[in-house]
Amino acid sequence: EDKVVQSPLSLVVHEGDTVTLNCSYEVTNFRSLLWYKQEKKAPTFLFMLTSSGIEKKSGRLSSILDKKELFSILNITATQTGDSAIYLCAVNNAGNMLTFGGGTRLMVKP
Amino acid sequence: DAGITQSPRHKVTETGTPVTLRCHQTENHRYMYWYRQDPGHGLRLIHYSYGVKDTDKGEVSDGYSVSRSKTEDFLLTLESATSSQTSVYFCAISEEGSIQYFGAGTRLSVL
Repeated sequence: EDKVVQSPLSLVVHEGDTVTLNCSYEVTNFRSLLWYKQEKKAPTFLFMLTSSGIEKKSGRLSSILDKKELFSILNITATQTGDSAIYLCAVNNAGNMLTFGGGTRLMVKP
Repeated sequence: DAGITQSPRHKVTETGTPVTLRCHQTENHRYMYWYRQDPGHGLRLIHYSYGVKDTDKGEVSDGYSVSRSKTEDFLLTLESATSSQTSVYFCAISEEGSIQYFGAGTRLSVL
C-alpha cells in the first residue's frame, strides 16, 4: 500500500520567516511527487518533481526531491500572510493515481 | 478550478436518501477522479475514470458508485447516504494522469 507522511502537522511562524515542510513516501512504481496548496477551497498545483536533486522554484517557493531517501521538502522564504494554507504532498504511481499525505497546516502571523 | 464545475456546492440530506454529485469539465481531459476530504485523513480517492465508461475503484469506494457516459461528465452516487459520508467531495481532472486539477468541492452533510 502506498503511503505518504507529511511533517510537521502544523506550523505557526511570523512574516519574513523561512519554513521547510517535509514529505516522506513509500510507493511502488514511483512516477512523480506533487505539491499542492489548499486555502479555503480547492487544492491548487504548485510543483511536480520527477528527478532527484533538481530544484523546482517559483518565486519564494522551492522544492526538491530525494529518490534515494524517499522524501521531498518544500521551502518558503520570506513568508507572507498569504502563504497561510494547508500544503499537501502527493505521490503519483504508474497507475495514474495520487496518494496524498495528511497535509501541513501553515499559519503566518503578521 | 477553471474548467471544472462541481454541483451542487452544498447539500444537506437525510440518512438513507440517494445523492448524486456532478463533476463537469470543459478541458476534454481523459482522467477524472472523485476524492473525499476529512479532518485527519487528507484527500482519499473514491473512484476514478480513465475514459468514457471506464472506471475503477479507489481507496474508499464502499457505498459509492460512479458513471461516466460522456467525456465531460463524471457522476458520483451515494445510493443510500449515511452519516459517515458527511464530507467535502472534490472532483479532479488530468490529461495524462499525472498533474491533477481540482474543482471547488461539494460540502455534503448527511443528517
